[in-house]
Amino acid sequence: DGGITQSPKYLFRKEGQNVTLSCEQNLNHDAMYWYRQDPGQGLRLIYYSQIVNDFQKGDIAEGYSVSREKKESFPLTVTSAQKNPTAFYLCASSIGGASNIQYFGAGTRLSVL
Amino acid sequence: QKEVEQNSGPLSVPEGAIASLNCTYSDRGSQSFFWYRQYSGKSPELIMFIYSNGDKEDGRFTAQLNKASQYVSLLIRDSQPSDSATYLCAVNIRDSSYKLIFGSGTRLLVRP
Repeated sequence: DGGITQSPKYLFRKEGQNVTLSCEQNLNHDAMYWYRQDPGQGLRLIYYSQIVNDFQKGDIAEGYSVSREKKESFPLTVTSAQKNPTAFYLCASSIGGASNIQYFGAGTRLSVL
Repeated sequence: QKEVEQNSGPLSVPEGAIASLNCTYSDRGSQSFFWYRQYSGKSPELIMFIYSNGDKEDGRFTAQLNKASQYVSLLIRDSQPSDSATYLCAVNIRDSSYKLIFGSGTRLLVRP
């Protein structure tokens, strides 16, 4: 079954804690993306990666970190430096390039305890 | 700052009517445009994409693109209550590499 898998579906973070959100795809896509969505808002780009071992900051990268060690995987760490992490986090992938049709995982909802 | 603008709505239409959703964008160099549907609490789902000026039809959906005026629209014919959702417009721009810029979405409500 081809697609993008995000886990966990719900995540709770304690004060001062780093948490990692998982994103795995088996679509053989080169490009992967992380977005944040706040209630009633559109999607804001956190980080993106066009190729393994390379990634770029998006519009709101502060307080987040990523790695891209495998084509299939693009985990996002929400660090303690992100003071307002409560949001819906969405991972997407695409073949990249000028068409850049992106498909999304089911999302992870992060809340602060 | 490259932007994508949408009316937040809600846009309310009766069942069976045509719903018209609009989006404007600032980057004249954009080449590809997308409409996503997002139900409450769910992730966005791709509805349509369009690259060329004019209309593109897929079932009850028609995407319209006018690059000279920098707008893209989505028409939904024979609207159904199940079409009630937020519709996100996205534009592909080239920065250091390609990325999508999303509008904040238009909420559509189809009344039975």
